[in-house]
Amino acid sequence: SQQGEEDPQALSIQEGENATMNCSYKTSINNLQWYRQNSGRGLVHLILIRSNEREKHSGRLRVTLDTSKKSSSLLITASRAADTASYFCATAGPGVTGANSKLTFGKGITLSVRP
Amino acid sequence: DTEVTQTPKHLVMGMTNKKSLKCEQHMGHRAMYWYKQKAKKPPELMFVYSYEKLSINESVPSRFSPECPNSSLLNLHLHALQPEDSALYLCASSQPKRGNTIYFGEGSWLTVV
Repeated sequence: SQQGEEDPQALSIQEGENATMNCSYKTSINNLQWYRQNSGRGLVHLILIRSNEREKHSGRLRVTLDTSKKSSSLLITASRAADTASYFCATAGPGVTGANSKLTFGKGITLSVRP
Repeated sequence: DTEVTQTPKHLVMGMTNKKSLKCEQHMGHRAMYWYKQKAKKPPELMFVYSYEKLSINESVPSRFSPECPNSSLLNLHLHALQPEDSALYLCASSQPKRGNTIYFGEGSWLTVV
């Protein structure tokens, strides 16, 4: 069953604008990861935030994590047409050990950036 | 660009065929995974291998048979599949430690006719 639920499910913005995507989850986590998937392609890892972290940055990406609200947000600043893709949050629970890094994916957000 | 390589990129097979999907990584990862993704859906975990041993099988039908010949290779053997098994099959790898990033390949598109 899916753990993460992204919001909104689809987002359309103009190039240069910022895009904010939200993810909520239900159970305790060890970490939360965001992935991008271009149409028909594999998943590209964007950023990982651990349960004891509140915010992380990577280039134009900013991720926040609020474990009290069981939610995360992904902000893409100064969006580009090339950012058009599906974005997934994925959570790994605290109970897993060793190699059992069992990621559970949300339903995904479709981001369209208009040139 | 991904460092997890999957072949073939596209596969069409009949319901009586036997075929295999292959995955290779050279990042020294000791955990490898198979995920299945249907159109417009999130990936769903099928199998996890840790140090070449099967550690998770998410109740996958026996017509899918995974194999991990060594630490760099992961295969998925397919036999007597159904049309509903048509999907994108994603291989992934990571270090076998909780909380590590999982890296995905480009996937193999499977169509069962």
